[in-house]
Amino acid sequence: QVQLVQSGAEVKKPGASVKVSCKASGYTFNSYGITWVRQAPGQGLEWMGWISAHNGYTNYAQKFQGRVTMTTDTSTSTAYMELRSLRSDDTGVYYCARRRLGEFNYGMDVWGQGTTVTVSS
Amino acid sequence: SYELTQPPSVSVSAGQTASITCSGDKLGDKYVSWYQQKPGQSPVMVIYQDSKRPSGIPERFSGSNSGNTATLTISGTQAMDEADYYCQARDSGTEVFGTGTKVTVL
Repeated sequence: QVQLVQSGAEVKKPGASVKVSCKASGYTFNSYGITWVRQAPGQGLEWMGWISAHNGYTNYAQKFQGRVTMTTDTSTSTAYMELRSLRSDDTGVYYCARRRLGEFNYGMDVWGQGTTVTVSS
Repeated sequence: SYELTQPPSVSVSAGQTASITCSGDKLGDKYVSWYQQKPGQSPVMVIYQDSKRPSGIPERFSGSNSGNTATLTISGTQAMDEADYYCQARDSGTEVFGTGTKVTVL
């Protein structure tokens, strides 16, 4: 079955970096994109950006420009999201989700289980 | 930046119909998706492209989108439908989520 499995919880100090992985299975990885979504404790969903697994194209939310890098490894069907210069308000659950390529919005149809990132001194 | 506004909460009696709205400028010109999120779980897409249901989503979930408002309707609401619901649209290549609505089943 189609699934996305994310890496485990992380605890980081302010100023550090975190890299979250998202391993895909059950579908042709490079025919889709991967979106990253953050959810702060008790808050709503926040779009961070997405990457095409077909050609590596990325589009980041303005809020995260300069601090985030999204990559893919097609040999292992894995997507990565690295966030740098962590602050306490980066604490939350980070999700990867599958999206179709192309101009039309088909939504995000498969989600990972989430990775909790805690930023604390 | 583009914004999508939802009511913070909606209450519905079991077996009745719940309607959740999502408002945004000229939203009817964009495709809208809806996600259900239960406590401690990942979101699940329940509607895409305004009114289409993914495989496995019950028929009691339906959607519409016109003008400045998209609506998710849950007919014959069940206790298991109690959750947070988020709308989502794309604007100039950027994905935007709504503010979220907590649905309580009485």
